[in-house]
Amino acid sequence: QVHLVESGGGVVQPGRSLRLSCAASGFIFSSYAMHWVRQAPGKGLEWVGVISDDGSKKYYGDSVRGRFTISRDNSKNTVYLQMNSLRSEDTAVFYCARDHDGSGALMDVWGKGTTVAVSS
Amino acid sequence: DTQMTQSPSSVSASVGDRVTITCRASQEIRSWLVWYQQKPGKAPKVLIYSASSLQSGVPSRFSGSGSGTTFTLTISSLQPEDFATYYCQQANSFPLTFGQGTRLDIK
Repeated sequence: QVHLVESGGGVVQPGRSLRLSCAASGFIFSSYAMHWVRQAPGKGLEWVGVISDDGSKKYYGDSVRGRFTISRDNSKNTVYLQMNSLRSEDTAVFYCARDHDGSGALMDVWGKGTTVAVSS
Repeated sequence: DTQMTQSPSSVSASVGDRVTITCRASQEIRSWLVWYQQKPGKAPKVLIYSASSLQSGVPSRFSGSGSGTTFTLTISSLQPEDFATYYCQQANSFPLTFGQGTRLDIK
């Protein structure tokens, strides 16, 4: 069965860092690009970024570019989101999602999300 | 960046009704449009991709149409489990962008 499980969320102070993980199972992880999407409380969906299947290409949303970094370890079937210089507006549920070709045209499997709260 | 605008922002309807949600892109996105359904506390679920292709396992009462800048999601006969929030998302260019969502409530 195909699964994505996010972890690493929690409460963090403004300006600090946090790393999220997304563990994949049930499919050939190294064949898929992986996205991160977030949702602030009571708000809509916001795309964070994507990493290609081999990790060679990465793209980010405007609000996180330069602060967040996506990486992956295909030997561990895991994708990561390193978040630096966190701000209160980064408070959200963070989802990872797989994508067949990295274009975002079909993010067909999503995790249940992990919650990040940035607060002093 | 491509801005996605959905209308209406919310709609109330009854079981059995036909409902249409519109999504407009600020620039041409060909057919690179995805529709999602999201229920409270849950992850989004793909309904339609490439503007009109039904995702596997999604009931046929859901359909999508459009190309260029204007797209629609139609639910032909609402079922109780369809009351949720619906989002469109463009996949024509990075950064990917979502519409603000349309909340579908029970009348």
